[in-house]
Amino acid sequence: DTGVSQDPRHKITKRGQNVTFRCDPISEHNRLYWYRQTLGQGPEFLTYFQNEAQLEKSRLLSDRFSAERPKGSFSTLEIQRTEQGDSAMYLCASSSRLDRGNYGYTFGSGTRLTVV
Amino acid sequence: AQSVTQLGSHVSVSEGALVLLRCNYSSSVPPYLFWYVQYPNQGLQLLLKYTSAATLVKGINGFEAEFKKSETSFHLTKPSAHMSDAAEYFCAVRDIFGNEKLTFGTGTRLTIIP
Repeated sequence: DTGVSQDPRHKITKRGQNVTFRCDPISEHNRLYWYRQTLGQGPEFLTYFQNEAQLEKSRLLSDRFSAERPKGSFSTLEIQRTEQGDSAMYLCASSSRLDRGNYGYTFGSGTRLTVV
Repeated sequence: AQSVTQLGSHVSVSEGALVLLRCNYSSSVPPYLFWYVQYPNQGLQLLLKYTSAATLVKGINGFEAEFKKSETSFHLTKPSAHMSDAAEYFCAVRDIFGNEKLTFGTGTRLTIIP
């Protein structure tokens, strides 16, 4: 296992279309996070899973956004009826509560979404 | 709510010169603090972290940071800049209790002048 994988790396979609991103965390990590990063800004927290349970959702996550983590493994983030304001880098990260010496996440390379 | 402020959205230093990137946090209780680096079109890589142990923290690539409670600061330094240090740097904070949600600063773009 070489780290957190995100697919696709880039996605261009027309306004109004639905898109889905996938994140594969480090296999032994039970915690998974989604962040959104717009141009010139730091990442902003979207949502957090511990195993398959979604424990927290940001107010940034409107009704058009949904995230799942079936079986506590990979996760998907779906955006319905995309808007130009959804254009951003979507970052996934994972961590393990058991890794007491870490405290930090491992981030994936992100999915860059462009809505035209 | 916790937050971090990064002073200077752009910093330029000459190759071989000292790098100093500033970060101040706002929290009633000393939090956990992190510095991440991001190269173009890449995710974030952890440089170093403060988790209430030693106040001077050494990280990867020759970077270090000092936690100063009296100044609520966690500035990032490197004695001698290298061309490969050119990137975006983010300071982040998280509560020592509760979940592990990170709150990031707006970032500092570091440019190295040959």
